[in-house]
Amino acid sequence: AQSVTQPDIHITVSEGASLELRCNYSYGATPYLFWYVQSPGQGLQLLLKYFSGDTLVQGIKGFEAEFKRSQSSFNLRKPSVHWSDAAEYFCALTGANNLFFGTGTRLTVIP
Amino acid sequence: GAVVSQHPSRVICKSGTSVKIECRSLDFQATTMFWYRQFPKQSLMLMATSNEGSKATYEQGVEKDKFLINHASLTLSTLTVTSAHPEDSSFYICSAIGQGVRNEQYFGPGTRLTVT
Repeated sequence: AQSVTQPDIHITVSEGASLELRCNYSYGATPYLFWYVQSPGQGLQLLLKYFSGDTLVQGIKGFEAEFKRSQSSFNLRKPSVHWSDAAEYFCALTGANNLFFGTGTRLTVIP
Repeated sequence: GAVVSQHPSRVICKSGTSVKIECRSLDFQATTMFWYRQFPKQSLMLMATSNEGSKATYEQGVEKDKFLINHASLTLSTLTVTSAHPEDSSFYICSAIGQGVRNEQYFGPGTRLTVT
């Protein structure tokens, strides 16, 4: 069965510091992987996605993620966090059409 | 491109009444639409999948008679919460997959339902 795990419920970083949000998945084949961001009371915005090819994926807002098959991971990174990055981040996978979401990681950015 | 809208963005209704939420794909035809429910500070829970012109497929534990889904056209799906109760208060989000768009869902901005 497929599943997505985000081990960190809440992360706090200082503005300008680097960020890494963890995501591990379980899936029987090569998954399609996504990272979404959700601001309070808002819908989901796609940051980036991995379908195939280059395992380092660039997304919007300066985010990137690396697919590591050997570790079943798809961690999200940003070299320098901005205060506007404070939000909830969801990792998700799909094999067919259904999306399976992780439980989310809430990012707090302190000045 | 690939914009999904939802209407209304917020709705407050009295217990026992019904509420309809619309989900529209504005610039593409959506062969499949999804309805999610999100409780505060939690992840999204898939409620049902709807394909244009056919009955929706509900996830286990979701009452199909309470959450009526209609996908009458390739750009519109509706979710009607019937006989709403306070425990139905939640954030409802729809998403859509377009024709020829591979495995990527586009999300609406969500609808906040409060049942008093």
